Amino acid sequence: GAGVSQSPSNKVTEKGKDVELRCDPISGHTALYWYRQSLGQGLEFLIYFQGNSAPDKSGLPSDRFSAERTGGSVSTLTIQRTQQEDSAVYLCASSTLFRGEGGYTFGSGTRLTVV
Amino acid sequence: AQSVSQHNHHVILSEAASLELGCNYSYGGTVNLFWYVQYPGQHLQLLLKYFSGDPLVKGIKGFEAEFIKSKFSFNLRKPSVQWSDTAEYFCAVSPGGSYIPTFGRGTSLIVHP
Repeated sequence: GAGVSQSPSNKVTEKGKDVELRCDPISGHTALYWYRQSLGQGLEFLIYFQGNSAPDKSGLPSDRFSAERTGGSVSTLTIQRTQQEDSAVYLCASSTLFRGEGGYTFGSGTRLTVV
Repeated sequence: AQSVSQHNHHVILSEAASLELGCNYSYGGTVNLFWYVQYPGQHLQLLLKYFSGDPLVKGIKGFEAEFIKSKFSFNLRKPSVQWSDTAEYFCAVSPGGSYIPTFGRGTSLIVHP
């Protein structure tokens, strides 16, 4: 596609439920990133994929968070047993392999609300 | 760990005023630098970037930024703002050779017509 597509755009879930957030990057972009943006905060790095592998998972806030990427394309971020502090906008970005020289293209995000 | 500081969290200006948003980072080696903008209800968009060469970088919509290595700074400037520049502005830094940019907390700019 022409841009990075994320779904759903909004998700309201009950505390304790699991959620899956999807990111469809720009075709041909080998690097894919997940960030979290909380109200009044900057972008918090979660995880990065190069192809299907995740060299850096250091940003995942707890073991309730996991992510995978298949076929070098679509990525899914899963949050298990959601907590209220997980409420945020989850952003996905993609870039070409070379250090993001073309910049990082962001999706519109998924706004997650845990009630 | 590297960090990125945006000292101005909220800036309010009138149209035609000049703008300068500060960005400082803590990493001591080679860096790649970015400014992103997020207009209300829209996704983050790249304004400009610096990888090497001329430290004065010109971006879209009349924005420019200057990389001052000795000050670890990459401030964003625009000589005359417009109401349509109302947005959130984020500075980002990635160490040379790294694929992962670290973002600042953002600066909210409101321009009054």
